[in-house]
Amino acid sequence: DSGVTQTPKHLITATGQRVTLRCSPRSGDLSVYWYQQSLDQGLQFLIQYYNGEERAKGNILERFSAQQFPDLHSELNLSSLELGDSALYFCASSVRPSGRDEQFFGPGTRLTVL
Amino acid sequence: AQKVTQAQTEISVVEKEDVTLDCVYETRDTTYYLFWYKQPPSGELVFLIRRNSFDEQNEISGRYSWNFQKSTSSFNFTITASQVVDSAVYFCALSEYPDYKLSFGAGTTVTVRA
Repeated sequence: DSGVTQTPKHLITATGQRVTLRCSPRSGDLSVYWYQQSLDQGLQFLIQYYNGEERAKGNILERFSAQQFPDLHSELNLSSLELGDSALYFCASSVRPSGRDEQFFGPGTRLTVL
Repeated sequence: AQKVTQAQTEISVVEKEDVTLDCVYETRDTTYYLFWYKQPPSGELVFLIRRNSFDEQNEISGRYSWNFQKSTSSFNFTITASQVVDSAVYFCALSEYPDYKLSFGAGTTVTVRA
């Protein structure tokens, strides 16, 4: 158990819908990362937050947004869902946004868009 | 451009054989970090090892060892005396300044047969 929690574990929805994925980092970790794992794209970095502020953006679609709240939990919002958004979404946390700190991953949320 | 290349897609071995996973990375930074993660069939991503660019000393941790060579930009990982529980997808990842997001390779699927 990494100490990072993600809810829900599974999500099945229809095209055009909007969903929210939730992540609670390990106790004491200030940095949160979101990654998407799909069969065709592999593991891709989406976005990073540090202590409530957005710090870096990767291959995140405009239909997707995220935020980190004062209690440090983070939410990833996916809207106008398409079939291609079906993937495993991981949240990871680290103490700082530093390579010296390993990122610990949550169990992931498997999103299926029908 | 792909920053991390794992040329081996799949490796199949018999229990107790050694398994070496290749990883080649690309970066212009002088300070960077390299990681290996394991993704068992259950789906979670498990941190295995981290190495920074200033430390080329190769180490052994239990049945895991790694060979980091800056001259060839390689960070290979070996599982000694493999066990069935080692069956998983193994990812090599690179972390660079300034955001230290993880750039993952495509992964190598390791199957250990009893």
